[in-house]
Amino acid sequence: DQQVKQNSPSLSVQEGRISILNCDYTNSMFDYFLWYKKYPAEGPTFLISISSIKDKNEDGRFTVFLNKSAKHLSLHIVPSQPGDSAVYFCAASEYGGSQGNLIFGKGTKLSVKP
Amino acid sequence: NAGVTQTPKFQVLKTGQSMTLQCAQDMNHNSMYWYRQDPGMGLRLIYYSASEGTTDKGEVPNGYNVSRLNKREFSLRLESAAPSQTSVYFCASSVTGTGAYEQYFGPGTRLTVT
Repeated sequence: DQQVKQNSPSLSVQEGRISILNCDYTNSMFDYFLWYKKYPAEGPTFLISISSIKDKNEDGRFTVFLNKSAKHLSLHIVPSQPGDSAVYFCAASEYGGSQGNLIFGKGTKLSVKP
Repeated sequence: NAGVTQTPKFQVLKTGQSMTLQCAQDMNHNSMYWYRQDPGMGLRLIYYSASEGTTDKGEVPNGYNVSRLNKREFSLRLESAAPSQTSVYFCASSVTGTGAYEQYFGPGTRLTVT
């Protein structure tokens, strides 16, 4: 059973508008969440993270929101740019878990149209 | 710093052949990981090494073996390749024990087993 779910395989957004990528999780022991971005033929690159003691973390155009009661997090990109077009993976980790192992969702492909 | 490097970038094997995927990191990270990514799937953990001298199974270890050669290098071996092992393989590394769970990924090895 998937512990980290990204229910939207794809998302298309106009340049300059907001992109919202969603992620749900089932394991209440997860206490650290990350977003990775992946371009074709490259490895994933770390984008932004959030600890379960926070409900928001912001880094430039990227903001991650965490709703622990709903077991839901989202990544907001404002404003979206064509270079943001990539696959975005949500990942989660359990404190004291196996050496920081991450559980990944299946990814959402974001297309930002000029 | 090269970060995480992987060799080879591409490989085609026949069923039953063996091969070793190489991974090295120059960030002085103590933990290293091997993932596979299949179409429509997230990244799934094959094996990991929390520190030099230790290795543990991940979610999908069957058909693979690993060696943590030293702190820098972590190799993945397919003893008898099967078509089901056709995938893109990513190596990653991280610093653990500090509360930072960001993993840094290599560019990947695209493996085809015919």
